[in-house]
Amino acid sequence: GESVGLHLPTLSVQEGDNSIINCAYSNSASDYFIWYKQESGKGPQFIIDIRSNMDKRQGQRVTVLLNKTVKHLSLQIAATQPGDSAVYFCAETPNTGGFKTIFGAGTRLFVKA
Amino acid sequence: GAGVSQSPSNKVTEKGKDVELRCDPISGHTALYWYRQSLGQGLEFLIYFQGNSAPDKSGLPSDRFSAERTGGSVSTLTIQRTQQEDSAVYLCASSSRQGAEAFFGQGTRLTVV
Repeated sequence: GESVGLHLPTLSVQEGDNSIINCAYSNSASDYFIWYKQESGKGPQFIIDIRSNMDKRQGQRVTVLLNKTVKHLSLQIAATQPGDSAVYFCAETPNTGGFKTIFGAGTRLFVKA
Repeated sequence: GAGVSQSPSNKVTEKGKDVELRCDPISGHTALYWYRQSLGQGLEFLIYFQGNSAPDKSGLPSDRFSAERTGGSVSTLTIQRTQQEDSAVYLCASSSRQGAEAFFGQGTRLTVV
């Protein structure tokens, strides 16, 4: 469903560890998924995307996994750094209904030095 | 610039006054979104414009909120008779058709006193 201003869950990790942020999406017609990173005082910015014909995509230190069977998306950040501290949003875009992108509720990642 | 531009960046208004927030999307982007974000919370969808289609207004919280998009480009979000609970950051984003990556502006921080 659509985010309605829920209080953000927080994930706290030690610097250097790997982080995994999870997201459950709602629409089985969604075929395009994006992870965004929002730093304090800024708008969300694109990190990585994946289409529904894939189940894994890798970027620099980040990997997105897609499980269409259970409608689950995850973002893995390798060797987490203090600069990774931010709020992370998943987003889905269905291939119907005007292609409106729907954002998840977001997860706050806090990296401990 | 080449990005999404929002103005003003900050707005302080008295309760009961009307405000207009402006968004200049990336040239050529047919999709435009408005979101609201309260402190420490997720993105609350407000309205979505896609090309010449009727806008999806399903997220507007009350009839005090309205938005228009002129000539398929600039958009204005208007809040009439502002209330203190309207205080938030209002984010605009645009994307090309077919649900590509959304590019966000820096937002307008609205404070109603």
